Amino acid sequence: EVQLVESGGDLVQPGESLRLSCGGSGFTFSTAWMSWVRQAPGKGLEWVGRSKGKIDGGTTYYAAPVKGRFTISRDDSINTLYLQMNSLKTEDTAVYYCTTEGGYGGHSHWGPGTLVTVSS
Amino acid sequence: QSVLTQPPSASGTPGQGVTISCSGSSSNIGSNYVYWYQQLPGTAPKFLIYRNSQRPSGVPDRFSGSKSGTSASLAISGLRSEDEGDYYCAAWDDSLSGWMFGGGTKLTVL
Repeated sequence: EVQLVESGGDLVQPGESLRLSCGGSGFTFSTAWMSWVRQAPGKGLEWVGRSKGKIDGGTTYYAAPVKGRFTISRDDSINTLYLQMNSLKTEDTAVYYCTTEGGYGGHSHWGPGTLVTVSS
Repeated sequence: QSVLTQPPSASGTPGQGVTISCSGSSSNIGSNYVYWYQQLPGTAPKFLIYRNSQRPSGVPDRFSGSKSGTSASLAISGLRSEDEGDYYCAAWDDSLSGWMFGGGTKLTVL
C-alpha cells in the first residue's frame, strides 16, 4: 500500500525559510514522479512543483508563484522528498500535500498534509 | 482566477444525478488528459477519475468522467450524503509546464 507522510510544517515569519519533508513507502520511490500541491485555508488546490524520477532525469518543474523561491529535492536512499521554501510570504500559508504521479498520470496518492503558516 | 473553470457549487437530492463541468483551453484540456479529485470535509483529496474517464480501483461506477474538446465533465449518479464535498478537475498545461487545477465545486446533497 502506498503511503505518504509530510512533516516540517510550522509557523514562521515573512521572509524566513522552512523545509518540508515527505516520506514515501509501498512503491519504488526512486522512479516515482512526485509533486507538491498546496491548499490555502478555505481555498482550492494549487500545484507547487514536480520532481521526476531518477530514471527520467530527475527534472524539476515549478509553478510561477514559487519559482526562484522554492526548491524540490529528493533523497532516494531514504525515500524522502523535500520542499525547501525560502523568502516565505503570507500568501504561502497553506496545507502542503505530497503526491505521487502514477503511471496513468495525475496525482494518484496524497499524504495527509502539513500546515505552513506565514505570519508576523 | 484558475486556468480551469468550474462552477463554484452544485447540488442534488439523494438518488438524483449531478454533473460538474470543467472548462479549459487548447494548451491543457484540449491536448492532455483530465483528472478529477474528491475532497471530503477535513480530508486530503482522493483520486477519482484518471485519463478523462477511467476509475481507479475502489471508486464506485456512480462516478463517471468525459471530455470533449477543451471541456470535461464529472457525472455523479445516485447521489448519497457521503458524496458531499469538493470536487476538482486538473490537467497538465503545455504552455505553462505545470498542473492546473480548477477552482473546485462544492457539492451539496440536500
